[in-house]
Amino acid sequence: AQSVTQLGSHVSVSEGALVLLRCNYSSSVPPYLFWYVQYPNQGLQLLLKYTSAATLVKGINDFEAEFKKSETSFHLTKPSAHMSDAAEYFCAVWAGSARQLTFGSGTQLTVLP
Amino acid sequence: DGGITQSPKYLFRKEGQNVTLSCEQNLNHDAMYWYRQDPGQGLRLIYYSQIVNDFQKGDIAEGYSVSREKKESFPLTVTSAQKNPTAFYLCASTPAQNTGELFFGEGSRLTVL
Repeated sequence: AQSVTQLGSHVSVSEGALVLLRCNYSSSVPPYLFWYVQYPNQGLQLLLKYTSAATLVKGINDFEAEFKKSETSFHLTKPSAHMSDAAEYFCAVWAGSARQLTFGSGTQLTVLP
Repeated sequence: DGGITQSPKYLFRKEGQNVTLSCEQNLNHDAMYWYRQDPGQGLRLIYYSQIVNDFQKGDIAEGYSVSREKKESFPLTVTSAQKNPTAFYLCASTPAQNTGELFFGEGSRLTVL
């Protein structure tokens, strides 16, 4: 069985500041990990994914995430927040033969001017 | 353009009525999924289908039904047995060989009056 925990349902940062969204996972097999972004009243878009290659993964819009097996974490970062980054972000894990993606509860990011 | 189309985008229903949400994809993907999204709870899997004429229950299938008669279509019926149907519903698809990278529609918001 797999699960995802996102710490902090709401995160606020100032424009230009570092963005850090936290995600911890639990999986009985080596996982594939994902970050998705959702803008209001829209579907989800893939930001980046970890599939057992490099542990530091770069995604769209300067987001990146680092897979740390020892900490079972996959935190999302961006060096400088932009107003357009305001959205809800979901961490997700795909593991095993069930072919199901399990999502965390989401983190709403607010960017302050 | 290729993608996933969900309709209707907004739907109102009286208690006791069944309603069907449409999901169509022209990406030639084998697997399709239905998720329910409620504030603060992330996405929860309702049903999924890996091939035509086959589907499996997800974590919250009670009160819902699906069919998969065609590869490109995966409609979801919200029945009167669903106790709390007001939610945002998201359809997604992925190729058979994919491992977690889902392509999402823009969602359907159902409100029960």
